[in-house]
Amino acid sequence: ETGVTQTPRHLVMGMTNKKSLKCEQHLGHNAMYWYKQSAKKPLELMFVYNFKEQTENNSVPSRFSPECPNSSHLFLHLHTLQPEDSALYLCASSQVGPGDRASGYTFGSGTRLTVV
Amino acid sequence: GEDVEQSLFLSVREGDSSVINCTYTDSSSTYLYWYKQEPGAGLQLLTYIFSNMDMKQDQRLTVLLNKKDKHLSLRIADTQTGDSAIYFCAEPPGDGSARQLTFGSGTQLTVLP
Repeated sequence: ETGVTQTPRHLVMGMTNKKSLKCEQHLGHNAMYWYKQSAKKPLELMFVYNFKEQTENNSVPSRFSPECPNSSHLFLHLHTLQPEDSALYLCASSQVGPGDRASGYTFGSGTRLTVV
Repeated sequence: GEDVEQSLFLSVREGDSSVINCTYTDSSSTYLYWYKQEPGAGLQLLTYIFSNMDMKQDQRLTVLLNKKDKHLSLRIADTQTGDSAIYFCAEPPGDGSARQLTFGSGTQLTVLP
């Protein structure tokens, strides 16, 4: 149990579908992140939420829509995706502020997304 | 901005030592991290080192930091097949905050029997 839980673990969706990825952290952290990990590419930071407010959107296409209803939950809503969006989507959380410096990130196990 | 570089692949024989190298750019980083990713899993924090340290040892793991050359290494002694994974080094932004870590591309470690 990593403290960060992602569901589903695997998802296959068609290009016209709408689906959502869910991330939940039980660590009391105040920042949450979405990363995309594609084969043979570095980790790509997609979105950052700090105290439920989105602080980063790294030029992510609008077919990806994040939602952070509270500091424990993070969603990534997907619609009209492309095959090149197939990847492992990782959620992470961290504690930002005094005392955050050694904690780094805690990652979930990821959702393996395949777009067909 | 920060840039973190690693070699992509490393193969070692079981029982040998593995050394994974990383170079980083932000000299003001207060912490540097090593993460491990096993197949089909997320990244797991393996160890970290304060920037005012040269070395940190934790069981089979030894982290060496050369601040002058901005070079970080992870040594795994007596490498086992269970150590086969991708290893990422990461540095935080210059303000020392844990937010928005910059990750290297990862080194795929393969342990041969």
